Amino acid sequence: KQEVTQIPAALSVPEGENLVLNCSFTDSAIYNLQWFRQDPGKGLTSLLLIQSSQREQTSGRLNASLDKSSGRSTLYIAASQPGDSATYLCAVRNSGNTPLVFGKGTRLSVIA
Amino acid sequence: DVKVTQSSRYLVKRTGEKVFLECVQDMDHENMFWYRQDPGLGLRLIYFSYDVKMKEKGDIPEGYSVSREKKERFSLILESASTNQTSMYLCASRGFRQGYEQYFGPGTRLTVT
Repeated sequence: KQEVTQIPAALSVPEGENLVLNCSFTDSAIYNLQWFRQDPGKGLTSLLLIQSSQREQTSGRLNASLDKSSGRSTLYIAASQPGDSATYLCAVRNSGNTPLVFGKGTRLSVIA
Repeated sequence: DVKVTQSSRYLVKRTGEKVFLECVQDMDHENMFWYRQDPGLGLRLIYFSYDVKMKEKGDIPEGYSVSREKKERFSLILESASTNQTSMYLCASRGFRQGYEQYFGPGTRLTVT
């Protein structure tokens, strides 16, 4: 059974710092991996989708990488801002038409 | 832009009431999902649907049912609401057109008293 782990559970950094959020998964036979952002009391916003054949995806200050063989993905945030404060969730979809399996998220605080 | 809408942002119901939560997506997505989210427990899948009139149980289907009569609409039904169903409910959809990228609605905060 696929399991997704995100470490650390919480992270606090000063504004302007570059940071990396980690995601690991136990079954490398994935179809895709998706990173989301969630603000308190709100729904999830999709940030990046990486298909199993891709190594990375970029959107603005965000870069997500995927290493299927080691079961790991990282989300890199450049020049962090207070507006980046949120919970970031990683989710993987196994092969076939299966639901996403979510990690519990990393709660990020960027201090001005 | 993909849009997933949910019928209410906040809802207060009494124990024993029948509750309907509606979700509509505008991108002709094949797959739709209902989750609940509780502090410390993360996102938990209640039910999902791969296509019209299809439904599959998720991890915690007890006390819930669903209906998908039209492709764009997926309804979650609490047959007899209980206080332990107080939660944030999130709907999501995905489809071939967006490479199966999953999109979420804004959520419904349900309180059962």
